[in-house]
Amino acid sequence: QVRLQESGPGLVKPSQTLSLTCTVSGGSVSSGGYYWSWIRQPAGKGLEWIGRLYTSENTNYNPSLKSRVTISVDTSRNQFSLKLSSVTAADTAVYFCASELKLRGTLGDWGQGTLVTVSS
Amino acid sequence: DIQMTQSPSSLSAFVGDRVTITCRASQSITSYLNWYQHKPGKAPNLLIYAASTLQSGVPSRFSGSGSGTDFTLSISSLQSEDFATYYCQQNYITPWTFGQGTKVEI
Repeated sequence: QVRLQESGPGLVKPSQTLSLTCTVSGGSVSSGGYYWSWIRQPAGKGLEWIGRLYTSENTNYNPSLKSRVTISVDTSRNQFSLKLSSVTAADTAVYFCASELKLRGTLGDWGQGTLVTVSS
Repeated sequence: DIQMTQSPSSLSAFVGDRVTITCRASQSITSYLNWYQHKPGKAPNLLIYAASTLQSGVPSRFSGSGSGTDFTLSISSLQSEDFATYYCQQNYITPWTFGQGTKVEI
């Protein structure tokens, strides 16, 4: 079982870039077989899939966010990251990182989530 | 995007009750449907994948059924630890999409 932990600023100003990191333990971001994913949940709302990474050259993003999102990986630190640019209050949410088992398309392991508030 | 619609959005139940949650997809997703349990402040937990396969370690009181556009999650005898919000998710085509959630409360 892979363990994941999100980290990053809890407060971001409007128009700035939200940056979060997910640290993976109990597994390697370099190992095949998994996508490394980000999902968010605005307060009082459901879950929204942001995107995923398989390798640095293989990413998929939600079209609704694609122009603002970058997911990248740092294999030396066993981490993957999310950058969301030009944020607004609508981007205020709990952000989760998760591992997706490639063969099944299931989000089997999740971090506990981190709240990011967009406010001046 | 494929829209996922759950019903009801919330329900009240007692320990020992049988509970059924419905999820409908806006187009056929064959059996590419997963169910998650989410408690406040915790990581979501995968319960069922491929519409009806129980994830390892999940109690057998949970079951899933359906194919095409209509799916159900059932809890045969509700336990106190089952009070949570439940989400369906399609993994037929990206972007993955979730239902809006069903909150199961006392």
